[in-house]
Amino acid sequence: AQRVTQPEKLLSVFKGAPVELKCNYSYSGSPELFWYVQYSRQRLQLLLRHISRESIKGFTADLNKGETSFHLKKPFAQEEDSAMYYCALISGGSNYKLTFGKGTLLTVNP
Amino acid sequence: EAGVTQSPTHLIKTRGQQATLRCSPISGHTSVYWYQQALGLGLQFLLWYDEGEERNRGNFPPRFSGRQFPNYSSELNVNALELEDSALYLCASIIPAGTYEQYFGPGTRLTVT
Repeated sequence: AQRVTQPEKLLSVFKGAPVELKCNYSYSGSPELFWYVQYSRQRLQLLLRHISRESIKGFTADLNKGETSFHLKKPFAQEEDSAMYYCALISGGSNYKLTFGKGTLLTVNP
Repeated sequence: EAGVTQSPTHLIKTRGQQATLRCSPISGHTSVYWYQQALGLGLQFLLWYDEGEERNRGNFPPRFSGRQFPNYSSELNVNALELEDSALYLCASIIPAGTYEQYFGPGTRLTVT
């Protein structure tokens, strides 16, 4: 069975500081991995996916199959980055159901 | 384009009653996923509908059911409500064989008293 673990429930950093949100997964095959974000009073939305290898809002995430990790990083945090972040995976095949981690609440202080 | 819509926004029921939640996907999206976000449990997959059929369900009892209509909108029914069914229920739509991106609705907050 697949599982996604986000070890930090809360993460607080100062504006301009680097930020890293950790995500580890367990799955025997080759999953597709995602980061979803939920800003205050907004709906859950996709931030980035590992297959596109793009940077969104300055965030990047690299899939490390050896460590089964997909950590989210940003070199200089901004106050508007404060949100709930969820790591998720799709196990592949024709079912695109998402398995989510429990989320990390990021607070960027001024 | 209009996003995924859900109704009602809030729903208050008493234990033992039935609840019906509705979801309209983005135009052109034929698959609908339902998730439960309960306090302390995170987001859990509930049901998947595609082309009018239930394709998969998560680890939930049979009193959680639903259907998908010909226009691809979907309904989630929860029978014999229990207190622990209190949660935010999210609906998401996706284009099958697309980019895997799921587009989420704002959710329905169900409170069981």
